[in-house]
Amino acid sequence: AQSVAQPEDQVNVAEGNPLTVKCTYSVSGNPYLFWYVQYPNRGLQFLLKYITGDNLVKGSYGFEAEFNKSQTSFHLKKPSALVSDSALYFCAVSIRSNDYKLSFGAGTTVTVRA
Amino acid sequence: DAEITQSPRHKITETGRQVTLACHQTWNHNNMFWYRQDLGHGLRLIHYSYGVQDTNKGEVSDGYSVSRSNTEDLPLTLESAASSQTSVYFCASSESFSGLDEQYFGPGTRLTVT
Repeated sequence: AQSVAQPEDQVNVAEGNPLTVKCTYSVSGNPYLFWYVQYPNRGLQFLLKYITGDNLVKGSYGFEAEFNKSQTSFHLKKPSALVSDSALYFCAVSIRSNDYKLSFGAGTTVTVRA
Repeated sequence: DAEITQSPRHKITETGRQVTLACHQTWNHNNMFWYRQDLGHGLRLIHYSYGVQDTNKGEVSDGYSVSRSNTEDLPLTLESAASSQTSVYFCASSESFSGLDEQYFGPGTRLTVT
């Protein structure tokens, strides 16, 4: 079984401040973890992924995420948020034993105010 | 440039009617997926295919069917539309079966069943 939790429905930050979007996962086995972003009326866009290796993963648009196995977390971070980062963010997990099918969290709406 | 397209982008139909949503990708990807997006649920997998003539049920497959006659297309059919199937539907594709590859998403189809 596999599942993802995004504990915050909404995150609000001021432009220029650090942005963190939280994600925790539950799997039996080694997870593959992904972050996607969705802008209004658009499909999801891939941001970054953790497969193996370095726990800190860097992705598109200045985002990064840290894989923490002991805390089963994969939080998304950006050091300095932009108004254009306002969007809906999804964390997703897959595992080999489930044919690598993705399970998505419910999503976190990020609003960056000018 | 390669892309994944969906049609129609918006559809209103009546309860009991059969509806088919089209998905076409020019990435030449083997894997294709259909998801529905509902508030509070994130994305849930409806059906997926790992190649021509291959189709599999996802977690919310009841009332839906797919067929894969070529690499490029995976149409989604609602056999007898129900109001519970009002949702936004996303098609996605990925290159390999390994789970290492991110999925590429179409722009979505907003379906309303009245």
